[in-house]
Amino acid sequence: DIVMTQSPDSLAVSLGERATINCKSSQSVLYSSNNKNFLAWYQQKPGQPPKLLIYWASTRESGVPDRFSGSGSGADFTLTISSLQAEDVAVYYCQQYYSSPLTFGGGTKVEIK
Amino acid sequence: EVQLLESGGGLVQPGGSLRLSCAGAGYTFARSAMSWVRQAPGKGLEWISTISDTGDSTYYADSVKGRFTISRDNSRTTLHLQLNSLRAGDTALYFCAKSRSHFWSEYDSWGQGTLVNVSS
Repeated sequence: DIVMTQSPDSLAVSLGERATINCKSSQSVLYSSNNKNFLAWYQQKPGQPPKLLIYWASTRESGVPDRFSGSGSGADFTLTISSLQAEDVAVYYCQQYYSSPLTFGGGTKVEIK
Repeated sequence: EVQLLESGGGLVQPGGSLRLSCAGAGYTFARSAMSWVRQAPGKGLEWISTISDTGDSTYYADSVKGRFTISRDNSRTTLHLQLNSLRAGDTALYFCAKSRSHFWSEYDSWGQGTLVNVSS
């Protein structure tokens, strides 16, 4: 099984400042035949289902603000919120869909400082 | 607009059974793989099971293999999860999630979830 490890567990950032979340997989999720990383990022606000933000590690889902960006390849990935807004308070999860069992990171809680 | 609506959750005793359903609308249901993901109270997300677009291929987490069965009825645009031999550790909010492709992929739509509470 591919283990997804997120850091930090929680993060407090001032409004307008940058938030950075890391995600490490226990093995590469880069599929060599198409050179795509099978890695997604989700945002979950309290009382709501998760919402897709990023897929293929760096492709922003339609309608997601451009302050959200994903980067990385292989086994190391980052989600960056360039300028934190109040509505970004949530828990963020990475997920690999390279192989079964599909696995999620443990989540990173983002709060306002 | 894609809509996924789960139903079937409730309170059940250990060892009991439940059947969850997820009704899909607003897209071509038969073209997308579908999954169940659960979230125990105050915890993170756990993938449970995926079924391909045609229903020919199914996949399960070890934690539920042999106890849960995923199925779909494309004519009724409905996904199901049969939960047998339930344990206290199965208590969670169960989400259905739609893959963008016919096989497993990122989940571009989620339902609101249905709560399963296993308790005596």
